[in-house]
Amino acid sequence: NAGVTQTPKFRVLKTGQSMTLLCAQDMNHEYMYWYRQDPGMGLRLIHYSVGEGTTAKGEVPDGYNVSRLKKQNFLLGLESAAPSQTSVYFCASSIQGADTEAFFGQGTRLTVV
Amino acid sequence: AQSVTQLGSHVSVSEGALVLLRCNYSSSVPPYLFWYVQYPNQGLQLLLKYTSAATLVKGINGFEAEFKKSETSFHLTKPSAHMSDAAEYFCAVSDSNYQLIWGAGTKLIIKP
Repeated sequence: NAGVTQTPKFRVLKTGQSMTLLCAQDMNHEYMYWYRQDPGMGLRLIHYSVGEGTTAKGEVPDGYNVSRLKKQNFLLGLESAAPSQTSVYFCASSIQGADTEAFFGQGTRLTVV
Repeated sequence: AQSVTQLGSHVSVSEGALVLLRCNYSSSVPPYLFWYVQYPNQGLQLLLKYTSAATLVKGINGFEAEFKKSETSFHLTKPSAHMSDAAEYFCAVSDSNYQLIWGAGTKLIIKP
């Protein structure tokens, strides 16, 4: 039972490069989320999805794009990476919205130099 | 809009001592309150959740939290700390859009 799997676990990018983070869940959850975690700031919601084919902006969406073409996958893209995007990124999923338990992946540590 | 304040970025207790991690939310009563735990180099996992059914909520690993409306608090406690409790703990509340608003986290350090 894999739960929520994030790929890759670590990545170093140069400023201006692009990349895609992949999140896959095998629990048939409707809702999926991308957060970033920075020291002393807790988790901040980047984008989320309430079902296949839907996406919505969270608290800090600038510089990121997402897609949910399949129910089990939620992709986070950085088109032109900036040092301010150095962070740990977490994907999560839940059966419904924020009133239900969120299941998290193990995180992706991204460094932009 | 909802906000969450966790008092103390680091809390240090001795093994066997009481654990108390503080969480205060903004004045409007949130629909749901949560505590999550993050062990080193791992994702977060749910400790417990308040849903208005009872003010004292019991979670996993011996943790519990009490909802106090008059104090706008949802503090997390455990009677006796264990070395395995060393982790970072996050309080979260759901807002009117049913998104989670997170506290900054409290790192719990257990002294042998």
